[in-house]
Amino acid sequence: AQSVTQPDIHITVSEGASLELRCNYSYGATPYLFWYVQSPGQGLQLLLKYFSGDTLVQGIKGFEAEFKRSQSSFNLRKPSVHWSDAAEYFCAVMDYGNKLVFGAGTILRVKS
Amino acid sequence: DGGITQSPKYLFRKEGQNVTLSCEQNLNHDAMYWYRQDPGQGLRLIYYSQIVNDFQKGDIAEGYSVSREKKESFPLTVTSAQKNPTAFYLCASSDSTGENNSPLHFGNGTRLTVT
Repeated sequence: AQSVTQPDIHITVSEGASLELRCNYSYGATPYLFWYVQSPGQGLQLLLKYFSGDTLVQGIKGFEAEFKRSQSSFNLRKPSVHWSDAAEYFCAVMDYGNKLVFGAGTILRVKS
Repeated sequence: DGGITQSPKYLFRKEGQNVTLSCEQNLNHDAMYWYRQDPGQGLRLIYYSQIVNDFQKGDIAEGYSVSREKKESFPLTVTSAQKNPTAFYLCASSDSTGENNSPLHFGNGTRLTVT
């Protein structure tokens, strides 16, 4: 079975600063990778996905992620964080049977 | 608007009672899923269904049951056998017959509190 590790439980950044959230996955033949965002008490919204092709993937809300097979990583980045980006972020990998396996999540706090 | 509706948003039950959480989708998706979310543990898969009248256990199915009698509905019953039922429950769906490995679309969740 596939697995996902998000090493950072909490991250705090200043508004306007750059952001990188880390994600490592267990090895799979062709990993299908996703980033989701969750506001408190809400469901998850898809930010971006990687299936194949260009290793730098653009998503919504100005986010991007880079797939690095050699490091088994799929880190999420944003050049300039806005206060509205404060939320919990989940990295996920597709398992057999079209099931998603999620990391434990990273809570992002934005300070003004 | 197409989407996934979970109801109710908050649910309170006494220990020992079964409770059913509703999930309805009008996205015409074949596959539906139930996840449980606990702080610091991410989302864990309870049950999933790839097609009507068929479903499979996920990683933490004990104490739960589901049915899939209609394409648009996938209710989850939390039974009295579930040892720690208080959690946030998320329902999701995907178009598994369309694009390969299409992403999951989530409802807004039901927070269940059992005392």
